[in-house]
Amino acid sequence: GNSVTQMEGPVTLSEEAFLTINCTYTATGYPSLFWYVQYPGEGLQLLLKATKADDKGSNKGFEATYRKETTSFHLEKGSVQVSDSAVYFCALTPTGNQFYFGTGTSLTVIP
Amino acid sequence: EAGVVQSPRYKIIEKKQPVAFWCNPISGHNTLYWYLQNLGQGPELLIRYENEEAVDDSQLPKDRFSAERLKGVDSTLKIQPAELGDSAVYLCASSDVMDTQYFGPGTRLTVL
Repeated sequence: GNSVTQMEGPVTLSEEAFLTINCTYTATGYPSLFWYVQYPGEGLQLLLKATKADDKGSNKGFEATYRKETTSFHLEKGSVQVSDSAVYFCALTPTGNQFYFGTGTSLTVIP
Repeated sequence: EAGVVQSPRYKIIEKKQPVAFWCNPISGHNTLYWYLQNLGQGPELLIRYENEEAVDDSQLPKDRFSAERLKGVDSTLKIQPAELGDSAVYLCASSDVMDTQYFGPGTRLTVL
């Protein structure tokens, strides 16, 4: 089947610290992979995506690389800011119209 | 370009009452999704529409939930009667091309 497993939170970091949120997946075929971010009281926003092995998605200083050999899509950012505090969701789609989400990882960045 | 619009943003009802949520997708988006998001969890699909056709409703609890998208544009999700366990955030999303979804802000339902 299709599923996403991401590291449990909450994660608390100091401003300018390095961020890694782990995500591994199980899927049929070659899925597209995503990271979404959800700020308090808002819906999910697409942060970045990768559609094939070894692709690197990037946006707003965040990066994630599609690793087929380890079935992973870990989210990284070199220097987090207070404004990055949110819940981050890893997701996949094997078909382009069916999506599977992880349980989310809450990040709090303190000044 | 306007995003996905949902209303109401918040709803508080007594159990056994009916409730309805409305979603207007981004203009031109043929695919519309309704998701359920419980506290501390990721979204779970309830139903997916391609234009006015419900192409995946396997996770929709049909004894109490119903949805419609009559003209292939906006959509309504209804619960009748609501139960305590229905308290959650109901998210609507739309897409025009495969694998890129845009989410609305959600409706937070509290059933007392």
